Amino acid sequence: KNEVEQSPQNLTAQEGEFITINCSYSVGISALHWLQQHPGGGIVSLFMLSSGKKKHGRLIATINIQEKHSSLHITASHPRDSAVYICAWQAYSGGGADGLTFGKGTHLIIQP
Amino acid sequence: KAGVTQTPRYLIKTRGQQVTLSCSPISGHRSVSWYQQTPGQGLQFLFEYFSETQRNKGNFPGRFSGRQFSNSRSEMNVSTLELGDSALYLCASSLTGTSGNTIYFGEGSWLTVV
Repeated sequence: KNEVEQSPQNLTAQEGEFITINCSYSVGISALHWLQQHPGGGIVSLFMLSSGKKKHGRLIATINIQEKHSSLHITASHPRDSAVYICAWQAYSGGGADGLTFGKGTHLIIQP
Repeated sequence: KAGVTQTPRYLIKTRGQQVTLSCSPISGHRSVSWYQQTPGQGLQFLFEYFSETQRNKGNFPGRFSGRQFSNSRSEMNVSTLELGDSALYLCASSLTGTSGNTIYFGEGSWLTVV
């Protein structure tokens, strides 16, 4: 059972549109990561969040710990933003942090 | 500085064989974690090492094993390969672990089992 729900699974948008990808998880977490994967496999970490909001360039990530929900926003989207976006969370249990649990990813295509 | 380096990048093995994959983390990073990615299951956590000790292990059979050396380089081994082990194997490094630190991924090792 996948404990990380991402939506939408697929998203096609026009260049310049504001993009939102959502991630919901089921337990208390120590950290949530947003990752970007381009064709060919390489994964880049975009954000690591434990609370609040972070911004980097056109990307914004927010997390609401009480609602167990995080969002990734892309402003002024561009075709080079086309990629798979994956959220992953990490919980504490027993003697420390668990390994990451991943969502199934959002396939984003930005058309010129 | 150099990123996370994984070798080999591509390999083909026969069922029943074993395989060893290598990961060199970013200099100064002491945590290395391994992941399997398949079209059906997506990304799954295999294990995490910190200072030569396995800190966490995912839900994989004992055929999957790993180790970390004193220079933080890590290897993972899969014995008695099965067709279902065909996947992209990714390693990632971080300063002290995936909780509270940015993680940096290697390009991955593409394993095909025939």
